Amino acid sequence: DGGITQSPKYLFRKEGQNVTLSCEQNLNHDAMYWYRQDPGQGLRLIYYSQIVNDFQKGDIAEGYSVSREKKESFPLTVTSAQKNPTAFYLCASSITGNSNEQFFGPGTRLTVL
Amino acid sequence: SQQGEEDPQALSIQEGENATMNCSYKTSINNLQWYRQNSGRGLVHLILIRSNEREKHSGRLRVTLDTSKKSSSLLITASRAADTASYFCATGPTGGGNKLTFGTGTQLKVEL
Repeated sequence: DGGITQSPKYLFRKEGQNVTLSCEQNLNHDAMYWYRQDPGQGLRLIYYSQIVNDFQKGDIAEGYSVSREKKESFPLTVTSAQKNPTAFYLCASSITGNSNEQFFGPGTRLTVL
Repeated sequence: SQQGEEDPQALSIQEGENATMNCSYKTSINNLQWYRQNSGRGLVHLILIRSNEREKHSGRLRVTLDTSKKSSSLLITASRAADTASYFCATGPTGGGNKLTFGTGTQLKVEL
């Protein structure tokens, strides 16, 4: 059963707490991405990684951190420095190259109480 | 930054009718892709059109690309209630690289 998984589906956190969102893929893709989606909006890129042990900031990286220690995994930490973290978070992966098709996980909805 | 903007923001049609969505973008692109998102779910890739292509078909989907106007359209023919979803265009930059820039989306509702 190949694909990309995210957990948990729903996540609640108190203000001031860090929280880590999981993203795993078994598609053997080198590139992985994290996006944020606010209600009625498009996707905004937070971080992306083109290869293990390397990642780059996207358009809205402030208050977020990532790691890429394994090809299959790209966890996203939402830190207390993120001022408005309540959103829908989507992880995606692709083969590397010229803007290839991205495969998306089901998303994690984070709510800060 | 949002590269693409879809038009209209929302579209409501009857089953069996055709649905047309438009996407405009600002900078040169390598390709343009269309994705679909059901409410509360991840995105699903529909079709990719390269900058040197003008039209592409996939089943009931027809995509056109006009690089001189920096615009694309997605036509869904003979729509079904199951086509109800949000549709996003995404552009890949000239010069390659993996990043896509997504538009703001069109919410399509197909009513019985």
